Amino acid sequence: QVQLVESGGGVVQPGRSLRLSCAASGFTFSAYPMHWVRQAPGKGLEWVAFIYHDGTNKYYADSVKGRFTISRDNSKKTLYLQMNSLRPEDTAVYYCARGGGYCSSISCSNWFDSWGQGTLVTVSA
Amino acid sequence: DIVMTQSPDSLAVSLGERATINCKSSQSLLYSSNNKNYLAWYQQRPGQPPKLLIYWASTRESGVPDRFSGSGSGTDFTLTISSLQAEDVAVYYCQQYYNSPHTFGQGTKLEIK
Repeated sequence: QVQLVESGGGVVQPGRSLRLSCAASGFTFSAYPMHWVRQAPGKGLEWVAFIYHDGTNKYYADSVKGRFTISRDNSKKTLYLQMNSLRPEDTAVYYCARGGGYCSSISCSNWFDSWGQGTLVTVSA
Repeated sequence: DIVMTQSPDSLAVSLGERATINCKSSQSLLYSSNNKNYLAWYQQRPGQPPKLLIYWASTRESGVPDRFSGSGSGTDFTLTISSLQAEDVAVYYCQQYYNSPHTFGQGTKLEIK
């Protein structure tokens, strides 16, 4: 069955960096677009970034653009999120999610059909 | 960005009764070229990640009980649980995937009365 396992979360000071990983199994990872979605404590869901199945296109929420970088290694079946210049408002559980739907040459139209359990990132002095 | 607004924010329904959650988008989610509405619904139980229930506004994900149904078109959508079960206590979110950024509603908390 589809499994997504995030890792790399923790407590970090403002301005520092962190890299999250998401290990995938149970499906053909290289065939799917992948997303990061976050949830601040007690709050709703916020889409963060996505990457095409082959890594050619990447899109970011305005709130993280220029600070976060999404990437993937299809040979390792792993998705990454490099987070730089972290802010207290980045504190959240970060989920990786598989994209259902389709992608064109311009963008993706995806629902999220499988989710990991999430990894907590806390940005605090 | 497309703004998604759910109503109500919270809802208490008796076991076996019908629960209805509404979702309104700030622009139409109906794509004319394929006549599909780009809307999904999720269930998030306490301490769990979200789970996909519905996509294309009314297509039930495999394994989702048939008491869950989605309806609506354009800018107004509804998630209906026909007969509430105890395990349906959760927060429910709608999400548009018509364009990027893919945005979510603020969530509706469903409880047992």
